[in-house]
Amino acid sequence: DIQLTQSPSFLSASVGDGVTITCRASQGIRSSLAWYQQKPGKAPKVLIYAASTLQSGVPSRFSGSGSGTEFTLTISGLQPEDFATYYCQQFNSYPLTFGGGTRVEIK
Amino acid sequence: EVQLVESGGGLVQPGGSLRVSCAVSGFTFSNYWMTWVRQAPGKGLEWVANIKQDGSERSYVDSVRGRFTISRDNARNSLDLQMNSLRAEDTAVYYCARASGQINMVRGITQFVLNRFDYWGQGTLVTVSS
Repeated sequence: DIQLTQSPSFLSASVGDGVTITCRASQGIRSSLAWYQQKPGKAPKVLIYAASTLQSGVPSRFSGSGSGTEFTLTISGLQPEDFATYYCQQFNSYPLTFGGGTRVEIK
Repeated sequence: EVQLVESGGGLVQPGGSLRVSCAVSGFTFSNYWMTWVRQAPGKGLEWVANIKQDGSERSYVDSVRGRFTISRDNARNSLDLQMNSLRAEDTAVYYCARASGQINMVRGITQFVLNRFDYWGQGTLVTVSS
């Protein structure tokens, strides 16, 4: 199974800050990675797929990059509604797996 | 408007069975792969199972294979997850989601690959406890 390791697991930031979350895969997954945002008590929402493609309707302050084993999600200018937990997910092979999550909280 | 509405969750004893369902509207259900993802209380997301548009392909995470069965009824726009031999560790919110993808050219062969779960239901809680 492909393991996805996210770092950090928790980060504290202020409105307007830029933040970067990293997702490392235990083996190469080409560009088969998606990023999700989840708020408490709500279903996840897809932000990025195919490592760098912005899902329709998602603000452009979200961006993704990477391929192979290392990927990043960047939020340029945190907004109050961005405080949430973020997950990466690989679609390269079964079983599909998620990273452990990164919780972004207000400083 | 795309809507996915799960139902059927509840409290069940270890070793028991439960069937959760997902009613879909707002898109052509028969054109999409569908999936179940679960989330144990306070934990992260875990993919459970996928099913192809016509039901001809199904995949499961190892921890549920042989106990859970994913199925769909394209005439009723409905997705189901039959869960048998339930264990305490199956306690979770179960989400259904639509799976989308794209066609890639791989070594000269066109191939459809899934690349995101783009619409989700609100989830249904399954609690396995005596």
